[in-house]
Amino acid sequence: DADVTQTPRNRITKTGKRIMLECSQTKGHDRMYWYRQDPGLGLRLIYYSFDVKDINKGEISDGYSVSRQAQAKFSLSLESAIPNQTALYFCATSDLPTSAGTDTQYFGPGTRLTVL
Amino acid sequence: AQKITQTQPGMFVQEKEAVTLDCTYDTSDPSYGLFWYKQPSSGEMIFLIYQGSYDQQNATEGRYSLNFQKARKSANLVISASQLGDSAMYFCAMRETSGTYKYIFGTGTRLKVLA
Repeated sequence: DADVTQTPRNRITKTGKRIMLECSQTKGHDRMYWYRQDPGLGLRLIYYSFDVKDINKGEISDGYSVSRQAQAKFSLSLESAIPNQTALYFCATSDLPTSAGTDTQYFGPGTRLTVL
Repeated sequence: AQKITQTQPGMFVQEKEAVTLDCTYDTSDPSYGLFWYKQPSSGEMIFLIYQGSYDQQNATEGRYSLNFQKARKSANLVISASQLGDSAMYFCAMRETSGTYKYIFGTGTRLKVLA
């Protein structure tokens, strides 16, 4: 089984709908992240969480919210979806950073979201 | 502010040859980490290699090596003996140690390996 899973893998929704993307991990990492990927822009950080009680905004958090239900679960919500939120969304997890690079981020398979 | 630049949107390489993918970075933090990821057409992000800013030697992982030139702030990925399966997007990323430990990613280089 994959260490980081995302559901759904694909989603088509309409403008104004609320949707939730879910992420689960079995790696035992405390840190979890949500990114979106747009063509030509690479990955941009939406939200991140360093433990269950710690939630932080990334560079593009407007229009998104998150919930860290447990160490292993981190959900991303679009309160009222709009077409420019059409993108590939990735969840990632990492351990604590050390000089040995132990905070390498491991990614889920991605959720392709289309907002019509 | 930290920044990652990948100036090659696309590259071609002949099968079995070596290829270098460029990455330059900018940070004021003396301690940082540099990462390379591969994204095949299937979409997943696959970790390839890590280099710490204080590492004296260039990182290597199988056919991947990272040409780390600290003074030039470059962290180029070298793939030796290219294979058809190496065709993918490649992303360089950096993590600062101070502050929030967040990653930032470059815009990627699309590599096509030719038979």
